[in-house]
Amino acid sequence: GAGVSQSPSNKVTEKGKDVELRCDPISGHTALYWYRQSLGQGLEFLIYFQGNSAPDKSGLPSDRFSAERTGGSVSTLTIQRTQQEDSAVYLCASSLRRAGSNSPLHFGNGTRLTVT
Amino acid sequence: GDSVTQMEGPVTLSEEAFLTINCTYTATGYPSLFWYVQYPGEGLQLLLKATKADDKGSNKGFEATYRKETTSFHLEKGSVQVSDSAVYFCAAGAAGNKLTFGGGTRVLVKP
Repeated sequence: GAGVSQSPSNKVTEKGKDVELRCDPISGHTALYWYRQSLGQGLEFLIYFQGNSAPDKSGLPSDRFSAERTGGSVSTLTIQRTQQEDSAVYLCASSLRRAGSNSPLHFGNGTRLTVT
Repeated sequence: GDSVTQMEGPVTLSEEAFLTINCTYTATGYPSLFWYVQYPGEGLQLLLKATKADDKGSNKGFEATYRKETTSFHLEKGSVQVSDSAVYFCAAGAAGNKLTFGGGTRVLVKP
């Protein structure tokens, strides 16, 4: 597609359930990022992929959070045993070249996760 | 680690007023600097960027100059419009590192 696509756009889940969030980056983009944006807050870095490997996953809040990327393309962020504090907008972005270069990030519209 | 600090909002101003949003950074290496904007109901998009000291990024009437000596990248616009109402994020990223964002500044322009 023309841009970064995220699904679902909205997800409501009960506390304790597992959720999977999907990101389809722009074709050919080698770098992929996950960020989290809580209500009224800035962007919190979660994890970054270069190809299929994750050189930096320092932002994952706990071991309930994991992510993978396959084929250098699609990425899935999984949250196990969701908690109410996990409620946020989860943003995915991709860039043509490696993180930190002057290659800008292209963001998806995010997945709004609500844990009840 | 890297960090970006920007002025807290909201910033409320009238149409045609001058806008400045301050941004300072700490980063390892020599970062590239960015301003991203999030319009109501839309995703984040790149507004402008600068990759080395004294570079000036510009777009849509906005400007920001990479000041290495003060580690700053302040965003300015001489005459804002209602359509500039948005949340603005400053970001920094050094080679090989993730992009670190500031907390965002909400700007509201009233007619």
